[in-house]
Amino acid sequence: AQSVTQLGSHVSVSEGALVLLRCNYSSSVPPYLFWYVQYPNQGLQLLLKYTSAATLVKGINGFEAEFKKSETSFHLTKPSAHMSDAAEYFCAVSASVSGGYNKLIFGAGTRLAVHP
Amino acid sequence: DAGVIQSPRHEVTEMGQEVTLRCKPISGHDYLFWYRQTMMRGLELLIYFNNNVPIDDSGMPEDRFSAKMPNASFSTLKIQPSEPRDSAVYFCASRAGGIQYFGAGTRLSVL
Repeated sequence: AQSVTQLGSHVSVSEGALVLLRCNYSSSVPPYLFWYVQYPNQGLQLLLKYTSAATLVKGINGFEAEFKKSETSFHLTKPSAHMSDAAEYFCAVSASVSGGYNKLIFGAGTRLAVHP
Repeated sequence: DAGVIQSPRHEVTEMGQEVTLRCKPISGHDYLFWYRQTMMRGLELLIYFNNNVPIDDSGMPEDRFSAKMPNASFSTLKIQPSEPRDSAVYFCASRAGGIQYFGAGTRLSVL
């Protein structure tokens, strides 16, 4: 079975500071990994995805994530936070021993606050 | 494309009433997913369809919940009878190219 753990339900950073949101996964087969962002009263929007190609993945809005198999991690980073980055971020894993990648298992989410 | 469209955006109902949530996926997407989001349980997959056929409904909490997809452009999630613990935000998502695209959700309040 697959699972995702997001360390830190709340993260607060200053505008212009580094953003680091942590995600660790568990999977018995090679996973696909995703980061989604949710703004208030909206649905989830894909930031980036890892599907076994390059381990460093670049996404929208200046975010990137690095797949580290040895650490079973897929942490999300952004060099310089902007006020508009304030939102909830979800890490998700997709894997299937039968070969399909249909189901997404989400972490509990990390709420990012950005202060001036 | 208008994206995944869900209706209504908000639904307030009384315990025991039937509730129907609606979803229009993005045209051409062959997978459709229903999720529920609560503070206590986070995002949970309820059921998903492939080419209008239900593939996995293991996340449907009880027999009170049912979902249908009569054609490629429409799906419903029905709760009958509704209970206060069903209060949540329900999301629909459709998929293409391995990426799920989410609707804005329906916020359901059962009084």
